[in-house]
Amino acid sequence: ETGVTQTPRHLVMGMTNKKSLKCEQHLGHNAMYWYKQSAKKPLELMFVYNFKEQTENNSVPSRFSPECPNSSHLFLHLHTLQPEDSALYLCASSQDLILAGRNYRGETQYFGPGTRLLVL
Amino acid sequence: DQQVKQNSPSLSVQEGRISILNCDYTNSMFDYFLWYKKYPAEGPTFLISISSIKDKNEDGRFTVFLNKSAKHLSLHIVPSQPGDSAVYFCAAIGDTGNQFYFGTGTSLTVIP
Repeated sequence: ETGVTQTPRHLVMGMTNKKSLKCEQHLGHNAMYWYKQSAKKPLELMFVYNFKEQTENNSVPSRFSPECPNSSHLFLHLHTLQPEDSALYLCASSQDLILAGRNYRGETQYFGPGTRLLVL
Repeated sequence: DQQVKQNSPSLSVQEGRISILNCDYTNSMFDYFLWYKKYPAEGPTFLISISSIKDKNEDGRFTVFLNKSAKHLSLHIVPSQPGDSAVYFCAAIGDTGNQFYFGTGTSLTVIP
């Protein structure tokens, strides 16, 4: 299997549940990302991992907990979520970490199909 | 505050005509811009990019134009085909951090 895969594709959970989203990339990339896409809002970057080390946490609430056991796998552990956390969660990877400004070397991100999450 | 904006949530174009998707940004420090295309039930896929040192980049039917003074870029698709129907996101590489800044997307429908 190639590309970036995400499971599950759809998830419905209650506010007291604990669940995990899984992302796997078969591209040999070193950087992985979690994004959240809410209705009518731009993709919001949540977490960035480079060589399994977290490099960015964009002020994400602690009820979202990422885990990156190796460069190919990325998890997002969810607990005590709120209804406003309902969204599409997208995982992405890139060969190398995207560097800012003039250090950018042209990396593109490859996205998974996303997990559609509904919190009741 | 959104740094990349796509003010048209949707666009309909007749097959064979030109599709023009627009994107505005607020940060003059952005150096690189990308367009992604997204089909339903799939993740966004990279389409075309442009560096701020250029004002045009062309790849087949797709051309991106950049107007730095107006902080505006546009994606032209000529001729439009029904298979181009998708949501198009523009994105910019930030001057800090390790991320792209995305717009909210424009849904393009090409009518056969």
